[in-house]
Amino acid sequence: DADVTQTPRNRITKTGKRIMLECSQTKGHDRMYWYRQDPGLGLQLIYYSFDVKDINKGEISDGYSVSRQAQAKFSLSLESAIPNQTALYFCATSDSAGTGNNEQFFGPGTRLTVL
Amino acid sequence: GESVGLHLPTLSVQEGDNSIINCAYSNSASDYFIWYKQESGKGPQFIIDIRSNMDKRQGQRVTVLLNKTVKHLSLQIAATQPGDSAVYFCAESPLPGSYQLTFGKGTKLSVIP
Repeated sequence: DADVTQTPRNRITKTGKRIMLECSQTKGHDRMYWYRQDPGLGLQLIYYSFDVKDINKGEISDGYSVSRQAQAKFSLSLESAIPNQTALYFCATSDSAGTGNNEQFFGPGTRLTVL
Repeated sequence: GESVGLHLPTLSVQEGDNSIINCAYSNSASDYFIWYKQESGKGPQFIIDIRSNMDKRQGQRVTVLLNKTVKHLSLQIAATQPGDSAVYFCAESPLPGSYQLTFGKGTKLSVIP
């Protein structure tokens, strides 16, 4: 979805390095999410945010941190990357003021490889 | 524990035939369900959704069926086209307006020309 963008799209890094993945959205949504996808598996929630400076842990938050300094931006950091964090990372947004459903809109993903 | 899963990990279908992708869920409190399509190299895209107070919903060439008695969800694609080749995920949300979506592992649909 072009309304949700992620940078970088691909990143190769070494064990122990600090990495930041950025997500921006122009949908005006208040809620934002970071997911991880491993081959053959579904999406696992890392962190989510309901509004600026609101941060909540998801299923697999260990080894990750996030920042929500503006409604349109949600960044994910790996403080000290390790090989088992090699995965596809997706950002998503949703609108709490919408239909009452929880349709989430996804960015194109960031492929991260930790050597 | 609660889970959302799929009966078939892969599905091959002849172009022009109908496709049926199945999903089982175990949380009887789930209120809202979504089907996503994920093409290679892209993020999941919304296809169709359904609330628990419905048992069928139709979109363009797609139909979602919900059987709450057996906790089963299916996605039907009519006249499958090569562009339908992708991985399809079902997801469930336990509460109205909840942030939470639990995703299944996905079914890969391959369309044979």
